[in-house]
Amino acid sequence: KQEVTQIPAALSVPEGENLVLNCSFTDSAIYNLQWFRQDPGKGLTSLLLIQSSQREQTSGRLNASLDKSSGRSTLYIAASQPGDSATYLCAVRRNSGAGSYQLTFGKGTKLSVIP
Amino acid sequence: DARVTQTPRHKVTEMGQEVTMRCQPILGHNTVFWYRQTMMQGLELLAYFRNRAPLDDSGMPKDRFSAEMPDATLATLKIQPSEPRDSAVYFCASGPGQIPTNEKLFFGSGTQLSVL
Repeated sequence: KQEVTQIPAALSVPEGENLVLNCSFTDSAIYNLQWFRQDPGKGLTSLLLIQSSQREQTSGRLNASLDKSSGRSTLYIAASQPGDSATYLCAVRRNSGAGSYQLTFGKGTKLSVIP
Repeated sequence: DARVTQTPRHKVTEMGQEVTMRCQPILGHNTVFWYRQTMMQGLELLAYFRNRAPLDDSGMPKDRFSAEMPDATLATLKIQPSEPRDSAVYFCASGPGQIPTNEKLFFGSGTQLSVL
């Protein structure tokens, strides 16, 4: 059974710092990995999706990397801003067979960017 | 701007009452998911529909939960009777029909359910 772990559970940084959020998964047979953002009382917004054949994806100040063989992904946020404060979740999709429709989520990292 | 719409946003009810949550998936999406989020368990899959047919509802307590898609624009999740342990945020998400897919999944804003 796939397990997704995110460390740390919470992170507080001063505005302007670059930071890295970590995600690890136990089964490397994944189709893709997504990073989501969740604001309090809101749903999840997909930030980046990395296909299993890719090593990284970039969008603005966000860069996500994937090392499938080691079961790890990182989300790098450059020049953090207070508006980046949210919970960030990673989720993996199995690559085939039963359950390949399903995303398995980590419990998230709650990020606070202090002005 | 296409989005998944969920109603109600908040629901407070007493134990034993029926609760119905509704979801309007993005037009053209034919896969619908129901997830439940709690502090302890995180996000858990309750049910999965494809082309309105339930393909996986193994995550739901069968004796009290039921999920349906009366038509392509409406998905419902019912709890009867509700219990305090059902208190959670329930999310609906929709996506394209091809599975597996490299398309992103779109989530609604959720229904915050409190069962007293």
